[in-house]
Amino acid sequence: DQQVKQNSPSLSVQEGRISILNCDYTNSMFDYFLWYKKYPAEGPTFLISISSIKDKNEDGRFTVFLNKSAKHLSLHIVPSQPGDSAVYFCAASGNFGNEKLTFGTGTRLTIIP
Amino acid sequence: EAGVAQSPRYKIIEKRQSVAFWCNPISGHATLYWYQQILGQGPKLLIQFQNNGVVDDSQLPKDRFSAERLKGVDSTLKIQPAKLEDSAVYLCASSLNQGSGSPLHFGNGTRLTVT
Repeated sequence: DQQVKQNSPSLSVQEGRISILNCDYTNSMFDYFLWYKKYPAEGPTFLISISSIKDKNEDGRFTVFLNKSAKHLSLHIVPSQPGDSAVYFCAASGNFGNEKLTFGTGTRLTIIP
Repeated sequence: EAGVAQSPRYKIIEKRQSVAFWCNPISGHATLYWYQQILGQGPKLLIQFQNNGVVDDSQLPKDRFSAERLKGVDSTLKIQPAKLEDSAVYLCASSLNQGSGSPLHFGNGTRLTVT
């Protein structure tokens, strides 16, 4: 069973515009969420995280929003840059990050110059 | 700081053969993880070590997979015998501690092809 779902396998966005990547989860015990970014032939790198006690966390161009009632989170990138082209994985954990991460299947983001 | 080192980068073997992967985590990182990423899927945790003790190996196919972390530093993951469905990228990751304050740092992975 896929407890963390990223329903859009791919997304194309014009440079300078906003990119919005979505993630849904089914396990109500999840209370800590992360986004990882992956370039080809490299391992994923940590981007941003959010705890369930918050509904928004911002770091520069990256903002993650959490809607606990809908079991939904999203990553906003604004403005989008060509270097943002990568695969983005959503991940979730319980016990405020002390349990193992469950990853989604990823969304490939392409920024069009 | 130097990142997580993995070798080899690529490996091609025939089914029923054995293979081993090596990982050197970031210096000082107590927690080490092995993930399997099958094409089109997200990484799946195989085993987690805290120092040289196993914290979670619930998703490790123990009839064919084994892992060890000697002296709480380097780790090896072995598959014996390999099956076609083991074709995947094997990612090693480390973190300073377990928990939300310590994001995972991943290596570049070993791409295994079983023919």
